[in-house]
Amino acid sequence: SQTIHQWPATLVQPVGSPLSLECTVEGTSNPNLYWYRQAAGRGLQLLFYSVGIGQISSEVPQNLSASRPQDRQFILSSKKLLLSDSGFYLCAWGMGPGANVLTFGAGSRLTVL
Amino acid sequence: KQEVTQIPAALSVPEGENLVLNCSFTDSAIYNLQWFRQDPGKGLTSLLLIQSSQREQTSGRLNASLDKSSGRSTLYIAASQPGDSATYLCAATLTSGTYKYIFGTGTRLKVLA
Repeated sequence: SQTIHQWPATLVQPVGSPLSLECTVEGTSNPNLYWYRQAAGRGLQLLFYSVGIGQISSEVPQNLSASRPQDRQFILSSKKLLLSDSGFYLCAWGMGPGANVLTFGAGSRLTVL
Repeated sequence: KQEVTQIPAALSVPEGENLVLNCSFTDSAIYNLQWFRQDPGKGLTSLLLIQSSQREQTSGRLNASLDKSSGRSTLYIAASQPGDSATYLCAATLTSGTYKYIFGTGTRLKVLA
């Protein structure tokens, strides 16, 4: 069966510090991978999606970046965090052009102070 | 640009009541529509997936319908229980060839015992 892991679950970082959130998927090959952010009182905002190794599509201009160094690994990074980067970050995977269920990880809660 | 709206934003009902959650989307050229449940501080769990060629899907006490021509989907919950209390989100997948899932802002449901 397929599983998705996200870590760390909780992170408190000072403004200007770097960020690295990691997401891995098990039990499948060549998944589409997604990073979403959920800010308090707002819906899910699609940040990045990837259809293959090294292929990253960015949806929103920001100081975040994403990388996919391996087929089932998706990393969200920042060189210098802003207060506005605080939120709940969710990784998800699906197969095909939206043909299958989108499965989410448990999320990473980021607080920037 | 596809926009997804959910009404109402919040709903409080007594236990045992049947209820309907609404989801509207602006572009009828969707590939599928999914309903998710999110418990506080947790990731999203997929409830039902309706392909664009389908009119409805059922799982236990849940029934989701899709009317592409009117840009609407509804989630019907029968005989609501306190354990149904959560935020319910719908997501529309853009037409085949793209990989984006656009989410509504959710309906926060509270079922009172």
